[in-house]
Amino acid sequence: KNEVEQSPQNLTAQEGEFITINCSYSVGISALHWLQQHPGGGIVSLFMLSSGKKKHGRLIATINIQEKHSSLHITASHPRDSAVYICAVKGGATNKLIFGTGTLLAVQP
Amino acid sequence: NAGVTQTPKFQVLKTGQSMTLQCAQDMNHEYMSWYRQDPGMGLRLIHYSVGAGITDQGEVPNGYNVSRSTTEDFPLRLLSAAPSQTSVYFCASNRQRGTGEQFFGPGTRLTVL
Repeated sequence: KNEVEQSPQNLTAQEGEFITINCSYSVGISALHWLQQHPGGGIVSLFMLSSGKKKHGRLIATINIQEKHSSLHITASHPRDSAVYICAVKGGATNKLIFGTGTLLAVQP
Repeated sequence: NAGVTQTPKFQVLKTGQSMTLQCAQDMNHEYMSWYRQDPGMGLRLIHYSVGAGITDQGEVPNGYNVSRSTTEDFPLRLLSAAPSQTSVYFCASNRQRGTGEQFFGPGTRLTVL
C-alpha cells in the first residue's frame, strides 16, 4: 500500500462545477503539499499546509492531522484548471517528500 | 529570478552512453533534489543535497551520481544509460527553514534506446 493515496485517479467535470480531490497518508508528517502539473509542463506548488485550511483564489486546501487526510477543492471550475494535481507529504524531521500518483482532472466547457 | 532551470529539455541516448542533466537555482536554497516521474507512479527521489558539499541517496539512486560543489548547481550524471532510465526528470529546490515551498524545474524528458 502506498504511503500517500489520492482519489479519484481521474476526474471529469463540467465547467462551473465544485471539485474535490482527496489525499490520505499513513505516515506522520510535518507538512503536506498540493502541486499542479499541466500536460507536458512543469510542476507548480499550490499550497503547503500543516494544519487547518488555506485559500488562494478559487482553490481551497484543508488538512485533518488526526485523520491523516487532506482535500483540495476547486470552486467554479474552468477548463484551464485541467491538470494533474499531486499530493506530497513531508515526514517528520526529514526534508524528503513522499508523493501520491496524482489526480488527472479534465474540466470540459 | 530565473528560479530553477534545467537543461536539456529533451535528450535521446543509446544504451551505455553517459550524460549529465544540469540543474541550477538562483534563490540561494540550501536543499536541492532530483526526482524521476514515470507513468502511474508518483515522483521518486533519486538523490538530494542539503547544502554545498553534502549529498545523499534517495529512493532510486542506482545508476545515477550527483555532486554539489556550489549552492546554485546540482548536476545529475547517468553513468551508463539503460532503457529503464527512460523517464522525465525534475530538479527541485527549497529552503531548509521557512515555508518549505517547493520550486521545480521544467523537467528533462530522457529516452534511452
